[in-house]
Amino acid sequence: AQSVTQPDIHITVSEGASLELRCNYSYGATPYLFWYVQSPGQGLQLLLKYFSGDTLVQGIKGFEAEFKRSQSSFNLRKPSVHWSDAAEYFCAVGTGNQFYFGTGTSLTVIP
Amino acid sequence: NAGVTQTPKFQVLKTGQSMTLQCAQDMNHEYMSWYRQDPGMGLRLIHYSVGAGITDQGEVPNGYNVSRSTTEDFPLRLLSAAPSQTSVYFCASRRDRGHEQYFGPGTRLTVT
Repeated sequence: AQSVTQPDIHITVSEGASLELRCNYSYGATPYLFWYVQSPGQGLQLLLKYFSGDTLVQGIKGFEAEFKRSQSSFNLRKPSVHWSDAAEYFCAVGTGNQFYFGTGTSLTVIP
Repeated sequence: NAGVTQTPKFQVLKTGQSMTLQCAQDMNHEYMSWYRQDPGMGLRLIHYSVGAGITDQGEVPNGYNVSRSTTEDFPLRLLSAAPSQTSVYFCASRRDRGHEQYFGPGTRLTVT
C-alpha cells in the first residue's frame, strides 16, 4: 500500500536559519511528488512538484526539494527562513487516481 | 477564475441531521476529491471522481455520499451526522491524474 511519512511533527527554527523538512514515501513506481503549505485557517497551496527529469525542483517562496529515488525521499529545503514561513507543510504522493498525504510538519519560526 | 469554491465556510449540526457541503470548480478539471483534515492525521480521502457520472470511495467513505452530475460540481452529503464527523473538509480538483490538485478554502463542520 502507498504511504507517505513525515517523521517530524513539529520543527522550530530561527529566522534566517536554513530549513529541511523530511518526506519519505512508499510506492512501487516513481510517483508524482508534491509539497503543499497551509497557513492557519487556510486551504492548501502548492509549493512545488516533481513529475520527472531533474531531481532538484524549485518552487515558490524560495523553496526547493530534491527527489532521491534510492532513499524514496523528497525533502523540502529553504536556505533562509522568514517569519512568514511559519505554517503546516504537507508532502503528498500522486499515484493513479488518488493522492496520499503525510500527516504534516508544523513549522515555528522564532525571531 | 474563482478556482475551487466551497460553501458553507462554517456549519454546526446536531447529531442525526443531514446536510450537503457544496464544491464547485471553474477550471474544467476532470478529477475532483473530498478530504477531511483532523489534527495529527493529515488529509484523508473520503470520495473522489474522475469525471461526470463517475465516483469512487477513498480511505474514509462511511457516512458520506457523493455524486457528480456535472464537471463543475461535486457535493458531499452527510446522511446522519455524528460527532466523529467533526472536522475540516476540503474539496480539491485537478486536470488529470498527472497533475497537481487545487484546493478550496475548506468547510469547518462541528457536530454536537
